[in-house]
Amino acid sequence: NAGVMQNPRHLVRRRGQEARLRCSPMKGHSHVYWYRQLPEEGLKFMVYLQKENIIDESGMPKERFSAEFPKEGPSILRIQQVVRGDSAAYFCASSPGERALYEQYFGPGTRLTVT
Amino acid sequence: DAKTTQPPSMDCAEGRAANLPCNHSTISGNEYVYWYRQIHSQGPQYIIHGLKNNETNEMASLIITEDRKSSTLILPHATLRDTAVYYCIVNRGTSYGKLTFGQGTILTVHP
Repeated sequence: NAGVMQNPRHLVRRRGQEARLRCSPMKGHSHVYWYRQLPEEGLKFMVYLQKENIIDESGMPKERFSAEFPKEGPSILRIQQVVRGDSAAYFCASSPGERALYEQYFGPGTRLTVT
Repeated sequence: DAKTTQPPSMDCAEGRAANLPCNHSTISGNEYVYWYRQIHSQGPQYIIHGLKNNETNEMASLIITEDRKSSTLILPHATLRDTAVYYCIVNRGTSYGKLTFGQGTILTVHP
């Protein structure tokens, strides 16, 4: 069984560019979560999505950040006009369903560096 | 969701049991206790969860006190690869799976 896959593993962007982070959940999982870990800080929830729907985006910055989980294909976290403060590790997690939302399986993360 | 308190760091000798405590004195009756760990630079890993009964799986055991105000995660035979930050998280199940990670306990397993 393949685990949660994220790509790219490392991403370097210049200030003002766009970053697109992809996440493929575990097979059979339709619930996806994104978390961010700033350098030397803890993990912070960003957004929770089910197929084609954003369920909870209470942790998403109000501007420049968006997420989607289309019917077909991976979930995408998009950061427009990146700034140095966006440099962080971004982790995606998936869960098996309604009765186990807190049992989440994490990917290896994407390390974003903004220069 | 109830607040949790964990010691910032602990040491353990390789091969010995590692007992990681967590205090959650404000836990309510329908809140579960979850444990995750994060090995350096990797994604967090789900370990175990429980409501009021003790639980065991291939990774660890979870002991929850009768009053549910505290719990202990037990790694029965710690190895060097168990060195990680361990997070105790309490959730009511009404936050759509939003995990709130605190500072956790840095467990260092020594040879």
